Amino acid sequence: ILNVEQSPQSLHVQEGDSTNFTCSFPSSNFYALHWYRWETAKSPEALFVMTLNGDEKKKGRISATLNTKEGYSYLYIKGSQPEDSATYLCAFIPGSDSNYQLIWGAGTKLIIKP
Amino acid sequence: EADIYQTPRYLVIGTGKKITLECSQTMGHDKMYWYQQDPGMELHLIHYSYGVNSTEKGDLSSESTVSRIRTEHFPLTLESARPSHTSQYLCASSEYITLAGVPSVEQYFGPGTRLTVT
Repeated sequence: ILNVEQSPQSLHVQEGDSTNFTCSFPSSNFYALHWYRWETAKSPEALFVMTLNGDEKKKGRISATLNTKEGYSYLYIKGSQPEDSATYLCAFIPGSDSNYQLIWGAGTKLIIKP
Repeated sequence: EADIYQTPRYLVIGTGKKITLECSQTMGHDKMYWYQQDPGMELHLIHYSYGVNSTEKGDLSSESTVSRIRTEHFPLTLESARPSHTSQYLCASSEYITLAGVPSVEQYFGPGTRLTVT
């Protein structure tokens, strides 16, 4: 069974502080990793897709790193703002799946306190 | 912004009723998916389709059924709703992408239907 673990489950951060959270996946069977942001009452939207060990992606104040050898990815948010409040989902595509089906973590719910 | 739509957004219905959750996309994607998600839990794939007249069951067993008669439309039906079907249902479609020469997919989601069966 392929599991994707995200931690912490929820996180309260003061506005202006930086934060990070983790996605863990099976390192022995990796193909790609996705990060999504899901704001309340909206559709999940793609943030990053990463495929190579050592990948680092950045979009504004949000960045992500990937370590396929040890099976984890970090998502960093610099200088948190209220609009960053959302659930951040990661999803893993195993190398054995030629259909590229995503296996999802339960998400990290981020709440920014003004 | 992705052009994928779901209706209704919220539905409260009594046990035993037949319901259909609608999902449409205007991007011409062949691949479409239905996920079920309970609070604090992972998205679980319950159905997927790789094109017209193609439907498959996902990893999570579900009493729902789907159809794919047109590329843009992928409705989900529950013949007899039960309280155990109370959940959030997300529809998605995907397209192939290539990153640094590596093929993969990117998924686009609808806003979800929050179903409550009383």
